[in-house]
Amino acid sequence: NAGVTQTPKFRILKIGQSMTLQCAQDMNHNYMYWYRQDPGMGLKLIYYSVGAGITDKGEVPNGYNVSRSTTEDFPLRLELAAPSQTSVYFCASSPLSGTDTQYFGPGTRLTVL
Amino acid sequence: GQNIDQPTEMTATEGAIVQINCTYQTSGFNGLFWYQQHAGEAPTFLSYNVLDGLEEKGRFSSFLSRSKGYSYLLLKELQMKDSASYLCAVTPRGGFQKLVFGTGTRLLVSP
Repeated sequence: NAGVTQTPKFRILKIGQSMTLQCAQDMNHNYMYWYRQDPGMGLKLIYYSVGAGITDKGEVPNGYNVSRSTTEDFPLRLELAAPSQTSVYFCASSPLSGTDTQYFGPGTRLTVL
Repeated sequence: GQNIDQPTEMTATEGAIVQINCTYQTSGFNGLFWYQQHAGEAPTFLSYNVLDGLEEKGRFSSFLSRSKGYSYLLLKELQMKDSASYLCAVTPRGGFQKLVFGTGTRLLVSP
């Protein structure tokens, strides 16, 4: 099992550009999450999904969009990148719910200039 | 809402014992996680407490008091590789899909 994988590892964007952060898991987990982590800060939940076709907003969803067409994939879309979106983005998955252990991907370090 | 407090940074010596505290105020509470995060890496699961009391797992133990809104992570026989950030996270009642993380405690272990 590869676990949770994320691509790319690093990316630099210009203000106003768009991009999609990819996340995939091969553990057949129902729940998937996107977090951002700013320097010296904890993780903030952006969006989550409880299964294919079902997504919901977390604490900081503005400026982002998600989709979940399959159990395995949960991409995060940034439409108009802003410097405030400079952060490290982590994708995670868990088998059943938030009370289960979440397994994190290696992260994507995004810089918006 | 939720409010989770942890010390920002702690230092300790190799071989010692260190206790990292976490206090929380939530609109409801289901359980509390501890995660370890080495610099530049993803968080990894350490423990999950639902009931009051101490859960021991090798060199690491975690304690929870639901009535006091308090938890701690106890690390014994510290090793250099324990230098990392330790994140406390709570699952609010009814928010089974979500974790709310504290800002983390950075632990530096010196020889």
